[in-house]
Amino acid sequence: QQQVKQSPQSLIVQKGGISIINCAYENTAFDYFPWYQQFPGKGPALLIAIRPDVSEKKEGRFTISFNKSAKQFSLHIMDSQPGDSATYFCAARGAGSARQLTFGSGTQLTVLP
Amino acid sequence: DGGITQSPKYLFRKEGQNVTLSCEQNLNHDAMYWYRQDPGQGLRLIYYSQIVNDFQKGDIAEGYSVSREKKESFPLTVTSAQKNPTAFYLCASKAGQSTDTQYFGPGTRLTVL
Repeated sequence: QQQVKQSPQSLIVQKGGISIINCAYENTAFDYFPWYQQFPGKGPALLIAIRPDVSEKKEGRFTISFNKSAKQFSLHIMDSQPGDSATYFCAARGAGSARQLTFGSGTQLTVLP
Repeated sequence: DGGITQSPKYLFRKEGQNVTLSCEQNLNHDAMYWYRQDPGQGLRLIYYSQIVNDFQKGDIAEGYSVSREKKESFPLTVTSAQKNPTAFYLCASKAGQSTDTQYFGPGTRLTVL
């Protein structure tokens, strides 16, 4: 059962544009929402993360918007660059003792020069 | 250098053979994880360990086994019972239950011929 739904599956953006990736979750017990960036043949790396007590978090060109009532969160990449071309995964962490991460299916972002 | 190492990067095995994937970390992290990544499906948790000599099944543990005899090592064995073992396998670690960030290794691509 997929508990975190991510869209779109792929995204093509022109250099300088805004990239937006969306995720929706079902489990209201999730308490931590990270975004990971993965380049081909590499392991994912944490990009930015948010907790449900805030509605927005910004780090440089990357912003997470969080809507607790709608159970949705999104990643915005401002001034997208070709070097941002990668696969992006959203995730959500359970609040139980195991505190496992549940990942979305990923979005392959291509930024055209 | 501190981090997580996975070896080998590429692994080929014949159908019906067991194979063990290595994961070593020198971050002094308590928790370690194994994920499987397939195209379009995100990361799925196979097994995790929160302390030495203890591990728990994740969402897709069938056909896999692990051990955690040392804090820095968490090898994964893909057994012949795993019906579709060809995938990209990622190991991750986290400092402890009270911390948020999981750090990933570079991955091992297993191909079963």
